[in-house]
Amino acid sequence: DGGITQSPKYLFRKEGQNVTLSCEQNLNHDAMYWYRQDPGQGLRLIYYSQIVNDFQKGDIAEGYSVSREKKESFPLTVTSAQKNPTAFYLCASSTGTPPDTQYFGPGTRLTVL
Amino acid sequence: QQQVKQSPQSLIVQKGGISIINCAYENTAFDYFPWYQQFPGKGPALLIAIRPDVSEKKEGRFTISFNKSAKQFSLHIMDSQPGDSATYFCAANFYDKVIFGPGTSLSVIP
Repeated sequence: DGGITQSPKYLFRKEGQNVTLSCEQNLNHDAMYWYRQDPGQGLRLIYYSQIVNDFQKGDIAEGYSVSREKKESFPLTVTSAQKNPTAFYLCASSTGTPPDTQYFGPGTRLTVL
Repeated sequence: QQQVKQSPQSLIVQKGGISIINCAYENTAFDYFPWYQQFPGKGPALLIAIRPDVSEKKEGRFTISFNKSAKQFSLHIMDSQPGDSATYFCAANFYDKVIFGPGTSLSVIP
């Protein structure tokens, strides 16, 4: 089955700790994205990557970091510098060729205690 | 202006009725307008999409109406069913990014 997997589904973190969210895709897509979803605010772009070893900041990159060492993987680290990290995090991928459909993973709900 | 406006924020429709969600944009560089459907606790999934050179696209009970001159587009769900209850996001593609509207929570009641 082709698709996007995110783990874990639920994550709890203490204030001051960094945490890494996993995102893996087997769709052979070039582009991958991380979004944050808060109630009533839709999806806000954190980081995106169009190719291995390259990524760009989205609209709300502060307090987050990413890496793209493999085409299949795009992990997101939520650092202690992120002031309000409790949210639902969604990873997506696309072919990278416009017009593009984004394929989303099931999401990770992060709660900071 | 890289923003997509969406209304209403929430919508309650009776089973069998028509659900209508409206979106508007400013940037004429947007070149593709998808709608995504999201069920609680899940990731969004593409529902239907339209290019700006087309005024209407229909797939089953779902129709997009597109007004290029007014920079507006809307989703119509005919014969709405309880299984359609979800959050709907309109979106616009801009180069290598997708700009999402804030979402509409649709509840279809029996």
